[in-house]
Amino acid sequence: DAGITQSPRYKITETGRQVTLMCHQTWSHSYMFWYRQDLGHGLRLIYYSAAADITDKGEVPDGYVVSRSKTENFPLTLESATRSQTSVYFCASSEFGRTANTGELFFGEGSRLTVL
Amino acid sequence: DAKTTQPNSMESNEEEPVHLPCNHSTISGTDYIHWYRQLPSQGPEYVIHGLTSNVNNRMASLAIAEDRKSSTLILHRATLRDAAVYYCILREANNAGNMLTFGGGTRLMVKP
Repeated sequence: DAGITQSPRYKITETGRQVTLMCHQTWSHSYMFWYRQDLGHGLRLIYYSAAADITDKGEVPDGYVVSRSKTENFPLTLESATRSQTSVYFCASSEFGRTANTGELFFGEGSRLTVL
Repeated sequence: DAKTTQPNSMESNEEEPVHLPCNHSTISGTDYIHWYRQLPSQGPEYVIHGLTSNVNNRMASLAIAEDRKSSTLILHRATLRDAAVYYCILREANNAGNMLTFGGGTRLMVKP
């Protein structure tokens, strides 16, 4: 199906474990993003990617690693999960626009991660 | 990104119009005004955006003040499905990739 999908939708893990959240989009959008949303708060950008093999830090990158070997995939890895990383994680994609008048963001349904 | 200020919450009755305000007094001349909304347990979705002129689409209307220091998202007939958090966001013209900074938004409650 066309769109942007995240997996797993729900994950419970323990402190210190490695966790990878997957994001896959079928539009061949250039840009992909990872946001986290803590209970009752807005979204904060973790990392983004302008194209395959190009990634950059957002507002809250510490404790996270990303890669983008293929345009359609943008996995987010927590190398050693901590309780403060309990959150809902949203992946998004956007076509590159040379002006701000183009390219709405398309979001996945989110991955709810609980770190015990 | 320039900051926006929105009320934390608003209430509306079903089938009545809703006006959601947003203040952005430090907006620059090339900043676009974007609105997204987030339904419960879902990711945000695009609603509308504009630069200077008022905009209409199938979901809503965007009214932009003449000095661009404020804007209003208008839902013409609120439905229960419109209950969501609405985010007003400024996007710089040179912000490639549509990277957006989300604030706290306005939680809209719709009463039957």
